[in-house]
Amino acid sequence: EPEVTQTPSHQVTQMGQEVILRCVPISNHLYFYWYRQILGQKVEFLVSFYNNEISEKSEIFDDQFSVERPDGSNFTLKIRSTKLEDSAMYFCASSLTGPGFSGANVLTFGAGSRLTVL
Amino acid sequence: KNQVEQSPQSLIILEGKNCTLQCNYTVSPFSNLRWYKQDTGRGPVSLTIMTFSENTKSNGRYTATLDADTKQSSLHITASQLSDSASYICVVSGNYGQNFVFGPGTRLSVLP
Repeated sequence: EPEVTQTPSHQVTQMGQEVILRCVPISNHLYFYWYRQILGQKVEFLVSFYNNEISEKSEIFDDQFSVERPDGSNFTLKIRSTKLEDSAMYFCASSLTGPGFSGANVLTFGAGSRLTVL
Repeated sequence: KNQVEQSPQSLIILEGKNCTLQCNYTVSPFSNLRWYKQDTGRGPVSLTIMTFSENTKSNGRYTATLDADTKQSSLHITASQLSDSASYICVVSGNYGQNFVFGPGTRLSVLP
């Protein structure tokens, strides 16, 4: 069964450093997402990406964050100047169709990248 | 504001028992509702997807129902197993490109 692959599974960084989280979405999917989940809290939307551009972003996704699809297969989340409160599990997800499509294809999540900022 | 609420916040049941989890939403206009299972430290895994016209959908021991008029959904788990211990998340999306709205999840613990 196709999977969304995320690397690294766990990254520890010092406050103020930059991190890049990588994702390989399912190959024929067109919509890509980043979510985060702080320990014990709900999944929070960060950004959606379609047709090589951001289609929607949340209030969390400020200038500290950026996304890129550099080579047609990888989908990356860059976090600049990390803060303690950026410590969370970051999930990448992909789907063939968008959220409102009546055909409702599955939104598939990766296993997550745990980011710890010290 | 588009919101998804779930109840109960947590639930403890004995192995072999049935349980029902609830989801209420205010997302409008409605497109589809999804139930996900999330094991601790893992990514959510899709259980069911229901569109406006579907009232019920099953996936093994999981049965989801949807009442689009009252904006409510339930997830019924039959003959629970220890491996059912997880968080169950209700996710709703609307038409016109509205994004997925996540509920806070229900934490289910199945005890032997």
